[in-house]
Amino acid sequence: DAKTTQPTSMDCAEGRAANLPCNHSTISGNEYVYWYRQIHSQGPQYIIHGLKNNETNEMASLIITEDRKSSTLILPHATLRDTAVYYCIAPSGQLTFGSGTQLTVLP
Amino acid sequence: GAVVSQHPSWVICKSGTSVKIECRSLDFQATTMFWYRQFPKQSLMLMATSNEGSKATYEQGVEKDKFLINHASLTLSTLTVTSAHPEDSSFYICSARDPILETQYFGPGTRLLVL
Repeated sequence: DAKTTQPTSMDCAEGRAANLPCNHSTISGNEYVYWYRQIHSQGPQYIIHGLKNNETNEMASLIITEDRKSSTLILPHATLRDTAVYYCIAPSGQLTFGSGTQLTVLP
Repeated sequence: GAVVSQHPSWVICKSGTSVKIECRSLDFQATTMFWYRQFPKQSLMLMATSNEGSKATYEQGVEKDKFLINHASLTLSTLTVTSAHPEDSSFYICSARDPILETQYFGPGTRLLVL
């Protein structure tokens, strides 16, 4: 897996956009970027993944830089239920989890 | 998204007994399934990878004779913790890879407490 670097924690006000950065400068050309989140005491939840182009689904948007060395997960209107640990992973095979970013959405 | 189930969701057992955890992919066929373990305030650690019809591949430091994995069908994998001890108490999470969507989906986890 390509090494990924994420901030340890972030806060976001409820209703505002949450922008979670991830650096993956050693990513290879065929490695996707995956985002998962884990709400306390639950299994990880798949959010989104992408290779080169920006992606959007009902949960979030993923912006990948042109050089693919970093990406940003955007939750457009964060709610209290979005409080979780968010993991950015660039796997070459199975998923390996780092420490992730603890996002806390504040009322 | 795709659904992966686990059973049981929690289990309490006595030291020395064996515990079986089931993982099912409900709406897709998974040729590859994975088992993770998570201790409090730590990240998920991959224990093993199982491919349908073949032996599981265990990560370094995971005892294959203690954590028996069977991937008997494209929708079912089981993890058996044999002769469980208190240090095996943990949150066990399975995941299944959807080969069409190229995405891993996770189960809700099984919390094991060994007394």
